[in-house]
Amino acid sequence: GQQLNQSPQSMFIQEGEDVSMNCTSSSIFNTWLWYKQDPGEGPVLLIALYKAGELTSNGRLTAQFGITRKDSFLNISASIPSDVGIYFCAGQTNAGNNRKLIWGLGTSLAVNP
Amino acid sequence: DGGITQSPKYLFRKEGQNVTLSCEQNLNHDAMYWYRQDPGQGLRLIYYSQIVNDFQKGDIAEGYSVSREKKESFPLTVTSAQKNPTAFYLCASSYGPFYEQYFGPGTRLTVT
Repeated sequence: GQQLNQSPQSMFIQEGEDVSMNCTSSSIFNTWLWYKQDPGEGPVLLIALYKAGELTSNGRLTAQFGITRKDSFLNISASIPSDVGIYFCAGQTNAGNNRKLIWGLGTSLAVNP
Repeated sequence: DGGITQSPKYLFRKEGQNVTLSCEQNLNHDAMYWYRQDPGQGLRLIYYSQIVNDFQKGDIAEGYSVSREKKESFPLTVTSAQKNPTAFYLCASSYGPFYEQYFGPGTRLTVT
């Protein structure tokens, strides 16, 4: 199936550093979603973006819906150990009245205390 | 509390046996989904249901079957025809088809 290009694939950072990850696609999306998955658990929705150019924050997390509607980024400021996990982006498309959700392969984040 | 439950958390089966994974939601969501996740990989859609008594194949439906007899429940059967059934299985639901999805805690299935 179709997939998004999510980068970087993995990151290893020091506690307190800021983090940035992004997703790009050749397709236009109507909605961008960002999830975090802890080891052995289900993904949890962090931020949902509905409009091109939209910038939304959730605590130390900030995400933006790209102007071209083909990309999105997620920033985490002042990382802490509990930020460890896999972050997934997902884009919703209405290709031919057939709504689908396309998933990135994830960014694995490790934080060194 | 509203949410999605999956049981059991860990499941072990012998090769050749069918096994059914449970998924229940009390969020009053119309749509429900099953995903498979393999180590280091993303989420792959197995089946989804937009309404009771209706469901569609996802990207990797071969070797799996589902039913949707109640709005709250969407069980997944992993049949003996599935070549590599060992994986982490995630159930999700959403208010409408492919709107924001909310996930259960997952079931890790090991087949030996």
